[in-house]
Amino acid sequence: GQQVMQIPQYQHVQEGEDFTTYCNSSTTLSNIQWYKQRPGGHPVFLIQLVKSGEVKKQKRLTFQFGEAKKNSSLHITATQTTDVGTYFCAGRKTSGSRLTFGEGTQLTVNP
Amino acid sequence: NAGVTQTPKFRVLKTGQSMTLLCAQDMNHEYMYWYRQDPGMGLRLIHYSVGEGTTAKGEVPDGYNVSRLKKQNFLLGLESAAPSQTSVYFCASSNLRASGITDTQYFGPGTRLTVL
Repeated sequence: GQQVMQIPQYQHVQEGEDFTTYCNSSTTLSNIQWYKQRPGGHPVFLIQLVKSGEVKKQKRLTFQFGEAKKNSSLHITATQTTDVGTYFCAGRKTSGSRLTFGEGTQLTVNP
Repeated sequence: NAGVTQTPKFRVLKTGQSMTLLCAQDMNHEYMYWYRQDPGMGLRLIHYSVGEGTTAKGEVPDGYNVSRLKKQNFLLGLESAAPSQTSVYFCASSNLRASGITDTQYFGPGTRLTVL
């Protein structure tokens, strides 16, 4: 079945450092979504990427979708303590089918 | 709008007991989902529904049943709870865009279930 793998599982950074999490699929994806879950909270949608090679930015966050639509990345520039949480990617194999979530990357930021 | 709500928030069961988790959404979404979240394993889909009166199995359906009698509600049942079902359970809902791409998923606050 479709697998979505995410690395690293954990990342500890000093405030102000950059952070990147990577998402890889065993199959070509129709689209990919990114979610953030704060400690003790629930996943909250961040963004959806649909086109091959697509790049989207949200303030300090940059999301990329690979040319082959099999991988994606989330990069945070100059992390802040408010960035703490677990970041999940979720891929969809075909339009309308269900999402498959990656295992998530847990980010901690030391002030 | 309350969005997606879940009851109860916490529950402790003994092995063999049964219970039902309730999810409600007020966004008129067609799609609803039940996930479980365990440390280091992300979110795994248990069952989902693409509309009132329909349900389908997800990735880890064994030991669970669901019902979608009303569009706004999605119930998850555990007939005979086992310690392996100790987890955090999240409900989510979404819609389908005209393009055929499913819209973003909105998650409820979660139910923390412990089975002793």
